[in-house]
Amino acid sequence: DAMVIQNPRYQVTQFGKPVTLSCSQTLNHNVMYWYQQKSSQAPKLLFHYYDKDFNNEADTPDNFQSRRPNTSFCFLDIRSPGLGDAAMYLCATSSPRRDTQYFGPGTRLTVL
Amino acid sequence: GQQLNQSPQSMFIQEGEDVSMNCTSSSIFNTWLWYKQDPGEGPVLLIALYKAGELTSNGRLTAQFGITRKDSFLNISASIPSDVGIYFCAGRKWGNRDDKIIFGKGTRLHILP
Repeated sequence: DAMVIQNPRYQVTQFGKPVTLSCSQTLNHNVMYWYQQKSSQAPKLLFHYYDKDFNNEADTPDNFQSRRPNTSFCFLDIRSPGLGDAAMYLCATSSPRRDTQYFGPGTRLTVL
Repeated sequence: GQQLNQSPQSMFIQEGEDVSMNCTSSSIFNTWLWYKQDPGEGPVLLIALYKAGELTSNGRLTAQFGITRKDSFLNISASIPSDVGIYFCAGRKWGNRDDKIIFGKGTRLHILP
C-alpha cells in the first residue's frame, strides 16, 4: 500500500502560471519534506515541516511556498513558474530523529 | 549552507566486483543515510547509521558512520546488474523543532557487460 502519495505524477504548466503539487501520507509522520531534483542531480531540500513548524532553506526562492493544513497533507505552491523550475519534486516524510525517511514517487513538472 | 561531498561521481565496474563510495562533510550529523534511486522513482533507503563508529550491513551492502560524525562510506560486495543506479548519501541533523536531511551529489554506478 502506498504510504507517501504524490499527485499528479506529471504536471505541465505555462511560464508564470501558478501551480500546486500535493503530497499525502498514511504514516502519521510528524515531519514532511519537499525536495527539488533536476536531471542527474541530488535532491535539493526546499523546506520541511516539523508538525506545523515551517523550516525554510536559506536558498529556497520566494517563488516556492508550502502549506500543511493537517498531518496527512502538504502542498507545494509555485507562484510564478519559470523554465528553470522544471524538475522532479519529491515529497518525503519521517518521524523525528530515529525513524527512516520515506519518499513519494515524485511529480515531474514541465514548464512551457 | 551544509554540503556533502560524495565521491566518486561515477563508477564503471565489471559484474562481481566490489564497490566503495564515501561522503564527507564539514558539519557534524546525527545520522547518516544511504539511498539508491532508480530512474523515475523516489530514493529508497538502503542503510541508516545512528552512532559514530557504527558499522551496519544489509545483505551485500555495508556502511559505516565515521568516528568524527563527518563522514561515511558504503561498500557493495560482488556487484550484480540490478545494482546499477544512483547512490546518495544523506546527513540528518535535528534541533528542537526541525529535522533536516541533506543529500550528497550522488554516485552513478555502471556495470559493464
